[in-house]
Amino acid sequence: QVQLQESGPGLVKPLQTLSLTCTVSGGSITSGGYYWSWIRQHPGKGLEWIGNIHYTGSTYYNPSLKSRVSISVDSSKNQFSLNLNSVTAADTAVYYCARIVRDYGDNWGQGTLVTVSS
Amino acid sequence: EIVLTQSPDFQSVTPKEKVTITCRASQSVGSNLHWYQQKPDQSPKLLIKYASQSFSGVPSRFSGSGSGTDFTLTINSLEPEDAATYYCHQSSSLPHIFGQGTRLEIK
Repeated sequence: QVQLQESGPGLVKPLQTLSLTCTVSGGSITSGGYYWSWIRQHPGKGLEWIGNIHYTGSTYYNPSLKSRVSISVDSSKNQFSLNLNSVTAADTAVYYCARIVRDYGDNWGQGTLVTVSS
Repeated sequence: EIVLTQSPDFQSVTPKEKVTITCRASQSVGSNLHWYQQKPDQSPKLLIKYASQSFSGVPSRFSGSGSGTDFTLTINSLEPEDAATYYCHQSSSLPHIFGQGTRLEIK
């Protein structure tokens, strides 16, 4: 059973870069047919798709965040990562990593709360 | 960008009741519409993929229907553990979009 676990700082200062890593266990990140995604949820709100990456490095980013976001993959560590720069309080959210099978997320991490505050 | 509108936003229901949640897309998404359940302080869990296909391990009381722009999630004979927020999600076009959510409260 594949499991995903987010890790990274829970507090980031305004205008700095938010960096999170998702570690995949119980399966290889290079397994074909999967994309690996970051999705966030503002406190008490709905879900927002941040972007996807394939193990080959192919990426897709939500246009609303595209200028600030970067997703990368490290196959040797079975991890993928999110960088979001120039953060503001509006980026305070729970950040989830998820495995995408063709079109839907069948496995999600537990989520990690990132607060942007000085 | 496609917009997904769920209704209702909130519903208070009693156990064993039948519940219907709708999701309307601003343009056709074919059958590329999926449903998730999110309980408090948990991550979303997939219930239904491609509008009507049940995901592995999901209780049979959950079912989905629809295509194009109008979709329905039905929960037959509601159980207390079904208290959660339910989201639809379209993957027909980028960016992927979620509905705003429907919160179910069990009386």
